[in-house]
Order: sequence, then C-alpha cells, then structure tokens
Amino acid sequence: KNQVEQSPQSLIILEGKNCTLQCNYTVSPFSNLRWYKQDTGRGPVSLTIMTFSENTKSNGRYTATLDADTKQSSLHITASQLSDSASYICVVSAGSNYQLIWGAGTKLIIKP
Amino acid sequence: DGGITQSPKYLFRKEGQNVTLSCEQNLNHDAMYWYRQDPGQGLRLIYYSQIVNDFQKGDIAEGYSVSREKKESFPLTVTSAQKNPTAFYLCASSAGTDSNYGYTFGSGTRLTVV
Repeated sequence: KNQVEQSPQSLIILEGKNCTLQCNYTVSPFSNLRWYKQDTGRGPVSLTIMTFSENTKSNGRYTATLDADTKQSSLHITASQLSDSASYICVVSAGSNYQLIWGAGTKLIIKP
Repeated sequence: DGGITQSPKYLFRKEGQNVTLSCEQNLNHDAMYWYRQDPGQGLRLIYYSQIVNDFQKGDIAEGYSVSREKKESFPLTVTSAQKNPTAFYLCASSAGTDSNYGYTFGSGTRLTVV
C-alpha cells in the first residue's frame, strides 16, 4: 500500500532556532517528492519538488533532502521565523498529478 | 495576479441540502482538482479534470459531483448523499497532469453541517 508518514506530528521551537522535519514513504512507482507549507485556514504552497536523481534542493531558508535508497526525505528550516509557523506536508507522486500520496503533515509552532 | 479563487470561504449546510463550492482559475491551466482535508489526515482526491468537458472520479467521489463546462471553472457540489461533509475543501490546478507540473491551490472552503 502506498503510504507517506511524517514525523513528528507537531513541533515547538524558539524563534531563530533550526529544525528538521522527516518524511518516510513507501510509494511505487516514484515520480517526485514535494514539500508544501500550509498556513492555518489556507491552501498549501509549494516549497520544493525533487525527482529521483536529486538529493538536495533549497528554497531560501528551506532545504529538502531526498534519499531514494532508504525512501526518506527531510525538510530543514534554518534560523526560524514566526512566519514559519504552519503545517508542512510531504507529498509523493506515484506517476501523475492525480496520483499524489499525501502525508498528514507536521505542525510547526515557532515561539518568540 | 493569476491564481485560483474559491468561494465562499465558509459554508454551512443543513441536513439533506445540496451545496455548491466555486473554484475559478485564471492561470490558463488545463487540469483542475478537488481535495478534501480532514484533521490529522492527508489530502484526499475527490475529482479531477484534465480538460474541458471531461472529469474523473478520485478516491472519495461518492456523494460529490462536478462539472467542467469552462476551462476556468470547476465547481463541486456536495450532495445530500455525502453523510459526513464537514471538512476543509481545496481546489487546485496544474498546467497538465504530468507530475512535473506543480500545483497551485486556492484558499479553501470550510464546510460545516448544522
């Protein structure tokens, strides 16, 4: 069964600190892996998208890594800001844009 | 600015009523999608459309219906047959259904049964 699992479910850190969110997947076939940021009550916004051959991709203070051998991805946030408070969702494509397997997300809270 | 507009932001439905959620995009995207989001769960695909006048069921289509009469518009009707409709509904679009095309999401509609 295709699955995407994220950890932790929730995380609280102080402003200015770094953090890393985890994503493990069992999806076949694999097309790409995406990370989205979703503010409360809003639609998700794309952060990164990585194919099988890419193992690192950055978007400002966000850096995603992909290990296709172990089927793991991480999202690292550097020097966190209050505006980083959101849910972060890992998504794996199993072939097309209507075959996306969505994780349940990690809820990140940044405290001043 | 190009984007996707969902309306209304909040919607209340009485038992036995049908309600329609609006989704309009001006990105000239061919593909559009409807997702349902429940707390603690990943997004689930309700319906998708690859081109005008064509749409396909997703994983949880029962109790829902859609139409795609115009490229820009993909309304979702939640029928009385949907027994647990309270959820956050998200509309998305992409230039095509190839996975290399990224999604653009609307801001969502929160539907509550009263």
